[in-house]
Amino acid sequence: GQNIDQPTEMTATEGAIVQINCTYQTSGFNGLFWYQQHAGEAPTFLSYNVLDGLEEKGRFSSFLSRSKGYSYLLLKELQMKDSASYLCAVMDSNYQLIWGAGTKLIIKP
Amino acid sequence: DADVTQTPRNRITKTGKRIMLECSQTKGHDRMYWYRQDPGLGLRLIYYSFDVKDINKGEISDGYSVSRQAQAKFSLSLESAIPNQTALYFCATSDSTAHTGELFFGEGSRLTVL
Repeated sequence: GQNIDQPTEMTATEGAIVQINCTYQTSGFNGLFWYQQHAGEAPTFLSYNVLDGLEEKGRFSSFLSRSKGYSYLLLKELQMKDSASYLCAVMDSNYQLIWGAGTKLIIKP
Repeated sequence: DADVTQTPRNRITKTGKRIMLECSQTKGHDRMYWYRQDPGLGLRLIYYSFDVKDINKGEISDGYSVSRQAQAKFSLSLESAIPNQTALYFCATSDSTAHTGELFFGEGSRLTVL
């Protein structure tokens, strides 16, 4: 079966760096997405990786290793507004998105 | 105004009632989706449509039906609601010509079935 694994919850301190991991097993691979979802709100797109390596976008970076079925989202200079759930999703060979359950990130002052 | 609008935002209903959730978009995207989100689970695809005359079942279509009335409108119906359909429902759109296939979500419709 297809599976996306990510930690349920993480806690970090304002101003610090946090890495949220995602491992996947899917039928084929056509890209990996990270979305941010604040409580009670809609998910919003953060990043897309289809080739191995690091994609940087401001304070957020996303890394992909296709051979290891692994990705991480790196958040730097954490701010209180970064408290949210972070959803990992993989597009499979049928171009369907398979979603992880999300990682709830709690930022403490 | 939101680019993807869902109505109603909140609905409480009783078992056996028919419910319709509506979605409209001003993004001009051809693809539209309905997902449900439950605590501790990933988003699960109910139905999707790549064009007005195209309807496809997703992972969990049983108990649901959809209608794509126009490119901008995609509605989800529960013919006879049951308590385990209590969830947060999201409509989403994407552009088939976009490189990443990024999804744009509506604000969500919280449905409670008693």
